[in-house]
Parts: sequence; structure tokens; C-alpha cells
Amino acid sequence: EAAVTQSPRNKVTVTGGNVTLSCRQTNSHNYMYWYRQDTGHGLRLIHYSYGAGNLQIGDVPDGYKATRTTQEDFFLLLELASPSQTSLYFCASSGTGEGGDTQYFGPGTRLLVL
Amino acid sequence: AQSVTQPDARVTVSEGASLQLRCKYSYFGTPYLFWYVQYPRQGLQLLLKYYPGDPVVQGVNGFEAEFSKSNSSFHLRKASVHWSDWAVYFCAVRVLSGSFNKLTFGAGTRLAVCP
Repeated sequence: EAAVTQSPRNKVTVTGGNVTLSCRQTNSHNYMYWYRQDTGHGLRLIHYSYGAGNLQIGDVPDGYKATRTTQEDFFLLLELASPSQTSLYFCASSGTGEGGDTQYFGPGTRLLVL
Repeated sequence: AQSVTQPDARVTVSEGASLQLRCKYSYFGTPYLFWYVQYPRQGLQLLLKYYPGDPVVQGVNGFEAEFSKSNSSFHLRKASVHWSDWAVYFCAVRVLSGSFNKLTFGAGTRLAVCP
């Protein structure tokens, strides 16, 4: 069974605060993704990576940095959090080629920026 | 733009009734389409996928979807809904971005099941 874990599950911070969201996958997948989920928008891709040290920009990258330290670990960084970044964040992993169509998602991190 | 639209934000059905969740796509060429489901307090998981071929595809838990090129649609169906189907359902399309195939998701349809 594919496994993606995220921490923390819930986070509250203040405007201007510094937040790091963590994701680990044990699927031996090359690709990892960060999405945000907002009502009316579905899931939107923030950043993704196809291996350790690699980072690619997604569709809504402004205000976010990411880092892939190992094949297993992918981090999302909000260095100056704003209320507009209040959202539910999902990490996912997948294989390559047609394997990329099946993404395995973590349980999500709910972030509130006051 | 290549995208999917789910026109119904919320659908309510009675347990045992049939279900159809709508998805319309906008895509130049033949799309690869997907349905994902998000159960309460969980991440998304793949329900079924369409690769060009047979227009009707079967998924898990009795779900199926039918691709229609003439209607630009990929609707999800189930003959008899169970209370455990209470979830949010997302339609998605594979989009080529540079050399990367990414999934672009619709806004989702929240399904409520009444006893």
C-alpha cells in the first residue's frame, strides 16, 4: 500500500509568520507534489519535484518555496505567511509516465493564518 | 485552456438511488481523464481513469464513467449509492506542461447520501 504522510496535520500562525509543512513518501516514487485545496477551486498545484534536489514551479507558486531533500522528503515553506494562504494543503507522490496519472495523497495539513 | 468543469458543487441522493456526477472537459485532441474521490478527513484517491479506447470505464466500488467526445463529457455513474459513498468527487484531465504531464482538477462535487 502506497503511503504518504504529512505533518503537522493542523497549524495556526500569524501574518508574517514562518511555516514549514513536511511530507514523506515511502512509495519509492520519483515525483512529489504540493497542492492547495480551496472551496470553488479544487486542487491547485503549487510546486512539484521529480527527484532529490529538483524543484519545479506549479500553477500557483507565489509566496511558496519548496525543497526536496531526499527521494522521500518534500517540504513546503511559507516564509511570510499571509491570510490568503489559509488553506488545506496536500502532498502527493507518483511514478513516472502513465504511473504519474495515479497520484497517492497524504491526509492533508490544514493551515490557518491569522 | 485545457481544463475540466464540474457544474454541480453539491449533489444529494437517497441511499439506494442511482447517481450521476457531471464533468465537462475542454481539451484540444483526445484527453486522458480521471475521477478521484476524497473521503472525509482523507486525501484523494484514484477512482477510475480513461485512456483512449472503450468509452465506458469501470472503477472501484461499482463506479463507472462514460467518455463522450461529442458532448465533451466524462460523467461518473453508480447504479445504487451507499452511505459510504459520502465524499467529494474530483474530475481531472492530464495536461502537458512543457515536458511534464500534470493533472488539472475540477472544483469538485460534494456528494451527500440521505438514509
